[in-house]
Amino acid sequence: DAGVIQSPRHEVTEMGQEVTLRCKPISGHDYLFWYRQTMMRGLELLIYFNNNVPIDDSGMPEDRFSAKMPNASFSTLKIQPSEPRDSAVYFCASSLEGGDNQPQHFGDGTRLSIL
Amino acid sequence: RKEVEQDPGPFNVPEGATVAFNCTYSNSASQSFFWYRQDCRKEPKLLMSVYSSGNEDGRFTAQLNRASQYISLLIRDSKLSDSATYLCVVNPPGGYNKLIFGAGTRLAVHP
Repeated sequence: DAGVIQSPRHEVTEMGQEVTLRCKPISGHDYLFWYRQTMMRGLELLIYFNNNVPIDDSGMPEDRFSAKMPNASFSTLKIQPSEPRDSAVYFCASSLEGGDNQPQHFGDGTRLSIL
Repeated sequence: RKEVEQDPGPFNVPEGATVAFNCTYSNSASQSFFWYRQDCRKEPKLLMSVYSSGNEDGRFTAQLNRASQYISLLIRDSKLSDSATYLCVVNPPGGYNKLIFGAGTRLAVHP
């Protein structure tokens, strides 16, 4: 079975550039989550969607960050303009509807380096 | 106070040892609980859910104490392949599948 698919796996770019991260959730999953992981702050939830609708974006650090989910099989996280402090591993995860005890399944992540 | 707190470790143990990790959570109304495992430079993966009555999966045993807001993970007969970071994860009330991750406890099993 295909898991959560993220692209690109690695991204290196200069500060000020626009960065777009992509995610394809597991087919049939109703929830999609975007996380950021750094050594200093651990795994932080940025935003999550339910049935393509953003539910909670309180973790999005600044207006430079935006996320969309135009359909059930695709989501993007965009950073514009990017800054060196945005360097991190960005994970996408998805889960089924159904209340408690629904675990999240993670993609391989995108390693982002802003120079 | 952090929502989920764990001892960061590292725990360095020999093969065959028994090791226990603890975790506390701040919101007493939290609904569900998990342990995830994360290998170096990899994504977090679900290890096991934690049920109120406690549950076991092979060499792994998870316990929940709601009164003390405390979760534990016990690993028996440690293997080299158990070396990883173990993340305590809590689903807060009203979170609709939203999960809060602890910072993780690092385990290193040596020969």
